Amino acid sequence: KNQVEQSPQSLIILEGKNCTLQCNYTVSPFSNLRWYKQDTGRGPVSLTIMTFSENTKSNGRYTATLDADTKQSSLHITASQLSDSASYICVVSAKGGSYIPTFGRGTSLIVHP
Amino acid sequence: NAGVMQNPRHLVRRRGQEARLRCSPMKGHSHVYWYRQLPEEGLKFMVYLQKENIIDESGMPKERFSAEFPKEGPSILRIQQVVRGDSAAYFCASSPRKDTQYFGPGTRLTVL
Repeated sequence: KNQVEQSPQSLIILEGKNCTLQCNYTVSPFSNLRWYKQDTGRGPVSLTIMTFSENTKSNGRYTATLDADTKQSSLHITASQLSDSASYICVVSAKGGSYIPTFGRGTSLIVHP
Repeated sequence: NAGVMQNPRHLVRRRGQEARLRCSPMKGHSHVYWYRQLPEEGLKFMVYLQKENIIDESGMPKERFSAEFPKEGPSILRIQQVVRGDSAAYFCASSPRKDTQYFGPGTRLTVL
């Protein structure tokens, strides 16, 4: 069964600090992995997308890594800002079929001033 | 190019009534996905449609729920005889092909 597990479930950090969110998956055969940011009351917005051959991808202060061998990904946020407070969702897609992705439950990040 | 549009943003229904949720995909996108999100939970896939066709409805409850994506007009998610357990945020996403999905702002359904 395809699964995506994220940790921690929630995280509180001070403004300006860095943090790393984790994602483990069992989706097979692997196609790609995306990280989304979902602000409260809004729809998810794509931050990064990585395929099997990519092991790092950056988008501003967000850097995602992928280890396809261990089936793990991380999202590193540098110099956090108050606006980073949101839920971060790891989404993994398998090849073939109707291309329905598997969503993690998300990590809720709160950045305090 | 406007993003994915959903309306209404908030919908209140009494038990037994019907709820109709609309999704207008981004221009040029022919793939539409519907998801449900319960409070404090992740997004759950419901149905995947292309124009005039249901491709995958494996996540859709067998009764009371239906979806369509007509040749003209928005995609519609229809919930008949709503119950309190249907209260959730319903998100629509669109994509130009089997690729990155762009999400709408969601419709928050409250069943009284």
